[in-house]
Amino acid sequence: GIQVEQSPPDLILQEGANSTLRCNFSDSVNNLQWFHQNPWGQLINLFYIPSGTKQNGRLSATTVATERYSLLYISSSQTTDSGVYFCAGRSSGSARQLTFGSGTQLTVLP
Amino acid sequence: ETGVTQSPTHLIKTRGQQVTLRCSSQSGHNTVSWYQQALGQGPQFIFQYYREEENGRGNFPPRFSGLQFPNYSSELNVNALELDDSALYLCASSLGVVDRAQETQYFGPGTRLLVL
Repeated sequence: GIQVEQSPPDLILQEGANSTLRCNFSDSVNNLQWFHQNPWGQLINLFYIPSGTKQNGRLSATTVATERYSLLYISSSQTTDSGVYFCAGRSSGSARQLTFGSGTQLTVLP
Repeated sequence: ETGVTQSPTHLIKTRGQQVTLRCSSQSGHNTVSWYQQALGQGPQFIFQYYREEENGRGNFPPRFSGLQFPNYSSELNVNALELDDSALYLCASSLGVVDRAQETQYFGPGTRLLVL
């Protein structure tokens, strides 16, 4: 199966700062999602983005499929952005599952 | 709110016991996937059900089994519980379109299982 590497593992920001989270894949993927996990464990869908760029408010994401990486941008961060951010992908083979990275723990300080 | 519900929210069992976790998928979704998330790690795929048939399995032993019902709700059963089974169990539903690569998975709030 594919390997998913996320960086950085931890990130601490002051409110208002911008950040970039990265996700690298060991093989090509045809399904890539970004999630935010809140403190209660709920995984919240942020983006479905196997390629290209999408924006949703202060968040945007870019996936360069040919180079096997994806970036999540958070601008003007707020304390409510705190939590763990996961990317997950499905390989272009016959695999059914999403393979998750180990996440980036984001803490936004007031 | 994803429209995916799970029950119970929390559960405490002792080693050797059996447990059943339940998941109701989002309306219109015919595919359910189950994941195990240990503390500090990303979710790990257990298996997936599509129209009541197992449709892929991760690296979990046979004591992890499942069912999907005609209304597309699902159960995860774990027999002979071990201490390492303590985790957050997540189910995700998806539309199961012909090109399954296009699926977006929507997750429930999870069930926290503690095995003592």
